[in-house]
Amino acid sequence: NAGVTQTPKFRILKIGQSMTLQCTQDMNHNYMYWYRQDPGMGLKLIYYSVGAGITDKGEVPNGYNVSRSTTEDFPLRLELAAPSQTSVYFCASSYSSRATNEKLFFGSGTQLSVL
Amino acid sequence: GNSVTQMEGPVTLSEEAFLTINCTYTATGYPSLFWYVQYPGEGLQLLLKATKADDKGSNKGFEATYRKETTSFHLEKGSVQVSDSAVYFCALRHRPEKTSYDKVIFGPGTSLSVIP
Repeated sequence: NAGVTQTPKFRILKIGQSMTLQCTQDMNHNYMYWYRQDPGMGLKLIYYSVGAGITDKGEVPNGYNVSRSTTEDFPLRLELAAPSQTSVYFCASSYSSRATNEKLFFGSGTQLSVL
Repeated sequence: GNSVTQMEGPVTLSEEAFLTINCTYTATGYPSLFWYVQYPGEGLQLLLKATKADDKGSNKGFEATYRKETTSFHLEKGSVQVSDSAVYFCALRHRPEKTSYDKVIFGPGTSLSVIP
């Protein structure tokens, strides 16, 4: 069972470079999320999506962009990398029902360093 | 607004000690409550959940009871092991009024180290 797959696992960028973090899930989940986790800190929501074609900002969206053209994929784009974007990035997905009791499934993370 | 508060870490315990990690929440309506665990170098995974008042979630010896009167969901384990060393996140999931989309809110996480 693949679940939520993130690529790459590690990446080093120079300031000003761009990259896309890939996230795909094979569970037909309608909700998908991008979080960042800084050392010793909790999770901060960057963007989320409630279905194909629908995205919205989370707590810390500046410097990032997302798209959701399919149910399976939710890539995160960094256009002009800055040292403040050094972090571990987690993608997550979830089914949504009326009961709001569905758990989140997380990918294994992407460790990004911007130097 | 809605929020989740957890006790500050890090927490260091000896093997077989009793564990409590406090979690309180602020939310309108009736959220579902979760504990997630993050082992070193991995993503978060669900540890347990409870979906209504007085429900008890349990898994791997961990328990937490949904207390609506005190808006709490404290995590407990009677005898911790070295393999329980991880970061523990309390979270709630709810659907704000006049919306059709769920929101998930995480606490800041509590780091637990268990020493032999």
